[in-house]
Amino acid sequence: GAGVSQSPRYKVAKRGQDVALRCDPISGHVSLFWYQQALGQGPEFLTYFQNEAQLDKSGLPSDRFFAERPEGSVSTLKIQRTQQEDSAVYLCASSLGRTQFFGPGTRLTVL
Amino acid sequence: GDSVTQMEGPVTLSEEACLTINCTYTATGYPSLFWYVQYPGEGLQLLLKATKADDKGSNKGFEATYRKETTSFHLEKGSVQVSDSAVYFCARVPSDPGSNYKLTFGKGTLLTVNP
Repeated sequence: GAGVSQSPRYKVAKRGQDVALRCDPISGHVSLFWYQQALGQGPEFLTYFQNEAQLDKSGLPSDRFFAERPEGSVSTLKIQRTQQEDSAVYLCASSLGRTQFFGPGTRLTVL
Repeated sequence: GDSVTQMEGPVTLSEEACLTINCTYTATGYPSLFWYVQYPGEGLQLLLKATKADDKGSNKGFEATYRKETTSFHLEKGSVQVSDSAVYFCARVPSDPGSNYKLTFGKGTLLTVNP
């Protein structure tokens, strides 16, 4: 079956641009997570959805980061006015219980 | 708060050598424990997991045992292959019924296996 997919796989943005990253979870998975992985580090939690409800956004680093999942399936992570420190791999994961399955990630480079 | 500490890398081994990557976790409640693997240019893949004390997770020749007394979940393999070269992440998820199951990861350990 299909796993978690993310698009685009690579994104280059100029500082100050807005970007939108998409995640298609495994069909039927209620929970969806976003993580940020800096180079050489482990992933860090950003935000969590249960169906369409965003239940935890404590990991979002600033108010420039915004995530949504309006119909409880596809999710979009939006970063406004990108900064160089936003350069990272953004990972999406979905789950039914405690085990999360990850997508391939989107590598964002801000110049 | 929740944290995971794993052995710093990089680790370089010859094919067929034994592997141990140490991982310890903070003992808040009774978390579920995971090892994820990240091959070059790919996303995270679940390697194995254990959900309670004394459980042993195993997959592809890798094993890890959930040790409550030492708060550890060390990854082991008896004979590594070149294809095992990757970054390995230890992670935990809270067990509280009201938690959102967000993963807390270690920093990762880069393993390189030479022929």
